[in-house]
Amino acid sequence: DGGITQSPKYLFRKEGQNVTLSCEQNLNHDAMYWYRQDPGQGLRLIYYSQIVNDFQKGDIAEGYSVSREKKESFPLTVTSAQKNPTAFYLCASSIGGRSNQPQHFGDGTRLSIL
Amino acid sequence: QKEVEQDPGPLSVPEGAIVSLNCTYSNSAFQYFMWYRQYSRKGPELLMYTYSSGNKEDGRFTAQVDKSSKYISLFIRDSQPSDSATYLCAISGAGSYQLTFGKGTKLSVIP
Repeated sequence: DGGITQSPKYLFRKEGQNVTLSCEQNLNHDAMYWYRQDPGQGLRLIYYSQIVNDFQKGDIAEGYSVSREKKESFPLTVTSAQKNPTAFYLCASSIGGRSNQPQHFGDGTRLSIL
Repeated sequence: QKEVEQDPGPLSVPEGAIVSLNCTYSNSAFQYFMWYRQYSRKGPELLMYTYSSGNKEDGRFTAQVDKSSKYISLFIRDSQPSDSATYLCAISGAGSYQLTFGKGTKLSVIP
């Protein structure tokens, strides 16, 4: 089955620790995205990548980093500089990085602070 | 004014009712309109995608876009308990990578 796989489903972070969230897709999509979802707020874009080895900051990139070494993989690192990391993180992909290509989502990773 | 406004609800309806979910937007450059359904602890699932004014139907779901009023709607006919979820509208402009999401409306369909 084609789709987007996010792991782990739940993740806990200690103070001062960096953690990495995994996102893998087998849809052969060029573009990939990371969003953060908080209660009562819409999805907010953290980073996006339209092609391998290239990525751009979204609206709330501070305290996060990404890499795009392979087409199918777009991991997100939540660094210790992110002071309020508790949220539901969603990875998405689309055929291309343009608005006329709808985005498809994985089932998310819930990150909490220990 | 926020770019996309969506009533958060919650909205509770009896099984079989017609449900109307709505979003308004402020930017007339927006051209692409999507509705996503999100079950608890899951990622959003694309339900409807349209780019023109008028209606688009898919089974029990109808998406309606009125660009002159900057208003979009999702209608669910013969609602089922399995439709209980949060519904998100998402809008984008031509040539833009970014989707702007509404905050979502939580729907409960009571058997």
